[in-house]
Formats: sequence, C-alpha cells, structure tokens
Amino acid sequence: QQQVKQSPQSLIVQKGGISIINCAYENTAFDYFPWYQQFPGKGPALLIAIRPDVSEKKEGRFTISFNKSAKQFSLHIMDSQPGDSATYFCAASLLSARQLTFGSGTQLTVLP
Amino acid sequence: EAGVTQSPTHLIKTRGQQVTLRCSPISGHTSVYWYQQALGLGLQFLLWYDEGEERNRGNFPPRFSGRQFPNYSSELNVNALELEDSALYLCASSLGLTGTEAFFGQGTRLTVV
Repeated sequence: QQQVKQSPQSLIVQKGGISIINCAYENTAFDYFPWYQQFPGKGPALLIAIRPDVSEKKEGRFTISFNKSAKQFSLHIMDSQPGDSATYFCAASLLSARQLTFGSGTQLTVLP
Repeated sequence: EAGVTQSPTHLIKTRGQQVTLRCSPISGHTSVYWYQQALGLGLQFLLWYDEGEERNRGNFPPRFSGRQFPNYSSELNVNALELEDSALYLCASSLGLTGTEAFFGQGTRLTVV
C-alpha cells in the first residue's frame, strides 16, 4: 500500500515539446506529493510539490496535475529544453511521518 | 546560503567493516533525513531525525543506525557491511516539524567490495 508507480521509465521529447510523467499511489492517507529532478552525480532537487486539496499547481514551465479520486498525479514540463534532460522522481508522503516514498524514476531526454 | 553537505563523497569498504557517513543540514533546518539510492531499488527512506530524536525509521535492519548532534548535523552508521549496501547515501534536511520541503545533498557513494 506504500507503493508509488511511475511511468514512463524513459521519455524522449523534442525541444519545445511537452514532457508528461505520470504517477499513481495507493495509500489514500498520503498528503504531500513532491517532484524531484536529479542530474548524474547530484542529489535530487525539489522541483514542485502539491497537497491533495489542490488539483493543479504551476511554477514556471512545471505543472503538477492531481486527481485525488483516481489516486494519480502528473508532472507536465512545458517548452522542454535540453537542459531539462535528467531523471525525474515523483514521491508521496505522510507529512506526519516525513517518509517520502519515491517512484522508480523517469529518464527524460530533450533533443535539441 | 550553503546547501546540505555530506562527507565523504566517495568511499570503498570491505564486506564486514563498519562505516560512518556525515551530514550537515542547511542552516536553520532541524530535521535530517537519510535515504539509500541503490541501483535497481530506487530511493528508499532510512531515517528521520529532528531535534536530536529519531522520529521515524524505514524498513532497514538494525545495523543501519544514526544520530543527530546538538548542532543538528547527523551521522549514519552502517555495521557489518554487505555487498548490497553499495549505494548512494543521500542526506536531506528541512525546517523541522513544520517544514514540508526536503532539500538533498549530493550524497556519499559507498562501494562495498
């Protein structure tokens, strides 16, 4: 019940295109859903996060869409750039436990 | 502002040995988290410390332990190293019990041979 399933495993997008990564969770008690970006040799960097009382959150080119009834959330990267090429992880957490459960990651490649 | 710093960046240990990894949180952050990023297993939660107390523990054996010091820095200790302990160990910090955002360091790459 603690799993977070992430898809696709890898994604190739042309420069300027939209990158979409999806995640599904099982534990309805989760109340915090962040997305992290990780470059090779670096630690994950927090991109954007959402709470379940909001259906969408946008920060610059990054948008989280959240569907509580379907227990799904997704990351949209608008106007994708080669510099966005990285591995993206979704995560879910019970804030009281501070235990992030991560998805398996999506390797995004943006072609110039 | 300095981010989360971890030391060492890399180390190689022999099976059966013990290792200590260190983490300094962002200034003002009182919570420290440890995660293991092993090949094929993804990012897995190890431990959460806040104000010197262990608040939560992931599904890891007791040979994984740690502590948090009065200055909020933290150590992760792994005893009786096994080959499968080879991984990137990541430390993160946040603003304590009211802080939701966790910021990660660059990690310590541990190789057990």
